[in-house]
Amino acid sequence: GDSVTQMEGPVTLSEEAFLTINCTYTATGYPSLFWYVQYPGEGLQLLLKATKADDKGSNKGFEATYRKETTSFHLEKGSVQVSDSAVYFCALSLGTALIFGKGTTLSVSS
Amino acid sequence: GAVVSQHPSWVICKSGTSVKIECRSLDFQATTMFWYRQFPKQSLMLMATSNEGSKATYEQGVEKDKFLINHASLTLSTLTVTSAHPEDSSFYICSARVLGRDSRDEQFFGPGTRLTVL
Repeated sequence: GDSVTQMEGPVTLSEEAFLTINCTYTATGYPSLFWYVQYPGEGLQLLLKATKADDKGSNKGFEATYRKETTSFHLEKGSVQVSDSAVYFCALSLGTALIFGKGTTLSVSS
Repeated sequence: GAVVSQHPSWVICKSGTSVKIECRSLDFQATTMFWYRQFPKQSLMLMATSNEGSKATYEQGVEKDKFLINHASLTLSTLTVTSAHPEDSSFYICSARVLGRDSRDEQFFGPGTRLTVL
């Protein structure tokens, strides 16, 4: 079935370090891909998305490129901040429902 | 962005009681709302899709008589966990779908409700 696999956490980085969180997917069709972020005590928020192959989603310094050939949608940021500490979820959609990965906890220290 | 609230944020109840969780879209109307369940260190699992004015659509393996969903208005959906048992303890999250111009199709999530059944 359709699924999303993302790297296990937690990921612990120092401020200004480079971030990569890997995400790969399995889907029967051509999904839209998403990254959601959940800050402590808050609901999930859409961080970025891409709807077709080779699209790049970007927001708040985060980027992810829809790679059909490798079925991946890795999240990157060149220089993380303490305020980026949160749980990050990769997800796909083939219509209405979202299918999520397990989430990756990012902890950034100053 | 659009705001979705959930109430209560946490609840502790005795086994055998029923618990109602509310999901509200505060500044927009949502014809479709979703209910998810999240176990510790696990992904969000879709339980059901709630459409205003009609019966909810449940995912395979989710007991519709156990998890009653009512979407009586365009801003409110409720999830009632009936005769709750300890295995129902979990984090329940709702989302509201917005369909807009420019092919916009986005879900906005509530902060979640932590249910603990003793």
